[in-house]
This record gives sequence, C-alpha cells and structure tokens, in this order.
Amino acid sequence: QKEVEQNSGPLSVPEGAIASLNCTYSDRGSQSFFWYRQYSGKSPELIMSIYSNGDKEDGRFTAQLNKASQYVSLLIRDSQPSDSATYLCAVRTDSSYKLIFGSGTRLLVRP
Amino acid sequence: GAGVSQSPRYKVTKRGQDVTLRCDPISSHATLYWYQQALGQGPEFLTYFNYEAQPDKSGLPSDRFSAERPEGSISTLTIQRTEQRDSAMYRCASSPREGAGGELFFGEGSRLTVL
Repeated sequence: QKEVEQNSGPLSVPEGAIASLNCTYSDRGSQSFFWYRQYSGKSPELIMSIYSNGDKEDGRFTAQLNKASQYVSLLIRDSQPSDSATYLCAVRTDSSYKLIFGSGTRLLVRP
Repeated sequence: GAGVSQSPRYKVTKRGQDVTLRCDPISSHATLYWYQQALGQGPEFLTYFNYEAQPDKSGLPSDRFSAERPEGSISTLTIQRTEQRDSAMYRCASSPREGAGGELFFGEGSRLTVL
C-alpha cells in the first residue's frame, strides 16, 4: 500500500463546475497536508496547506481534512480551463520533514 | 539566487556511466530536497538536507545513489554505474527552514536518460 493514494484520473469537468479531488494516507502520525499543482512539463507548485480537521478556503480552492478517516480533499469552485493540470497531494509526519507525494490526479476542465 | 537552479537540464548517458546532477537552491533556504519523478507519477522522495546535515536519506534506491551538500548551499546528486531504470526527472526543491510549512520551491528539474 502506498503511503499517499490518489485516483490518477483524468477527472473531466465542464467549465464553471466544482472539481473534487481526493487523497487518502496511511500514516496516522501525519500532521501536515498539502496540495500542489503541476502543469504539464512544469514543476509542482504549492496551492494549499491544511493542518487541522475541517475546511480551509482560499479563493476558489477549499481543502478539507478528516484525520479520523485519513482523508484529504481539494475542491475547486468555478473551474476554469486554466485549472487543467495534475494535482498532487503531499503529506508530512512530524517525525521527519520529508514530504511524501501521491501519484497525482489529472484534471481536465472542458470549455 | 532568485529561484532554484538545476543543471544540466538534460543528460543522456550510457548504461554503466556515472552522472552528477547539481542543484543551487534559493540563497536564504536552509532545507534542500531531492526527488525522482517518473512520467505520469508524483515525485518520489530521495533525501533531504538541513544546511549540510542529511537527516533522512531513506528514499535513495540503492547505494549507487548519493547526495552531498558540503557547505550547506549547493547540492549534488550522484548516480554511479547508471542503469536504464534510473531514467527519470530528478527534481530539487528548497524550503526556508526545516519543517517550514511544507512549502517547497522546485527547480525545473534534470531529465536523465540512460541508454
């Protein structure tokens, strides 16, 4: 079992819709959770971080964390074609500062 | 520097040769990470440095892989006796300090092809 699991997709949504991306993790000691976006041929860039249970909103993005279920999600409201990218979930335990990435979910937003 | 700089951007080598990849992190950043990323996959952790210390090298696939950061700034990743399965994008990232919120700033990567 991989430490961080994501559905590879592609997830296809129409422009203006809500895109929902999901991630599960195996280490119950995980404390910090991140979403990175990676455009094709480019490097990953951080878009959201979340540390406590519940929701965290930043513009069109909402990260949701449920530690009991070991589940993290990212919602993108009013999806735009420019949101088309691979979204990487990343998890860090406090016992080590290494960041473990999932394999990513590819999102396609149809105009 | 202004961003994380990696060199070479592309490297083609023959099986059995040694290769060294270089990373120049953002100048104020204490922490430096190396990741390996295969096509269509997420970055796989290799190792990280906090200044010149290397607290975690658990992700290095074999003893053919080694990394250094002798003066706490520029880092090198060396792969000895390369094999075809080593072909991948190697990404370096830096962070302001150890445990700094998980925000890693990635370089453009070094694409290694082993023939």
